Amino acid sequence: KNEVEQSPQNLTAQEGEFITINCSYSVGISALHWLQQHPGGGIVSLFMLSSGKKKHGRLIATINIQEKHSSLHITASHPRDSAVYICAVGPLGGGADGLTFGKGTHLIIQP
Amino acid sequence: EAQVTQNPRYLITVTGKKLTVTCSQNMNHEYMSWYRQDPGLGLRQIYYSMNVEVTDKGDVPEGYKVSRKEKRNFPLILESPSPNQTSLYFCASSLRGGDTDTQYFGPGTRLTVL
Repeated sequence: KNEVEQSPQNLTAQEGEFITINCSYSVGISALHWLQQHPGGGIVSLFMLSSGKKKHGRLIATINIQEKHSSLHITASHPRDSAVYICAVGPLGGGADGLTFGKGTHLIIQP
Repeated sequence: EAQVTQNPRYLITVTGKKLTVTCSQNMNHEYMSWYRQDPGLGLRQIYYSMNVEVTDKGDVPEGYKVSRKEKRNFPLILESPSPNQTSLYFCASSLRGGDTDTQYFGPGTRLTVL
């Protein structure tokens, strides 16, 4: 089973700052997912990637398959970005087992 | 609107009283899954289903049952709930697989077992 580590566990920053959240995993994967969980509890999928880089608005996700590492960046952070960000990976070769999740990074953006 | 719905959203019950949490999706997804989320442990998979009548255990299946009689529905059954099943539960679905397709999550069910 893959082991997924996220850092930092908690991050407090000021509005406008550039944010980076990291995710490392232990064995090869089919894809990596970044999820966002707001204080109300709902979970939304932000990105799914297996190589390179993806961008959506102020969010950028990158992955380095050789180093088994992914980063989620938030540019011009805003208080509405305050949430828990969760990294999840799918097993190499696919399969029905589904995802293994990191424990999440709790982000607070102060105005 | 494409969505995954769960009911109830909140439930307080007592030890041993059977309960069912319903999950339904309107996206014709083949893959559905149940997760529980606990502080310090993150999300863990309970059961998953690749299609109608095809279900299998995830990482923490003890004390739970599921069924998949129709493509859109995937109920989670606790035959005899215990306090260690107090948790936040999420149902999710995706088009085919659980690993390389975007997962759509339900709003969550907060269960307390006294």
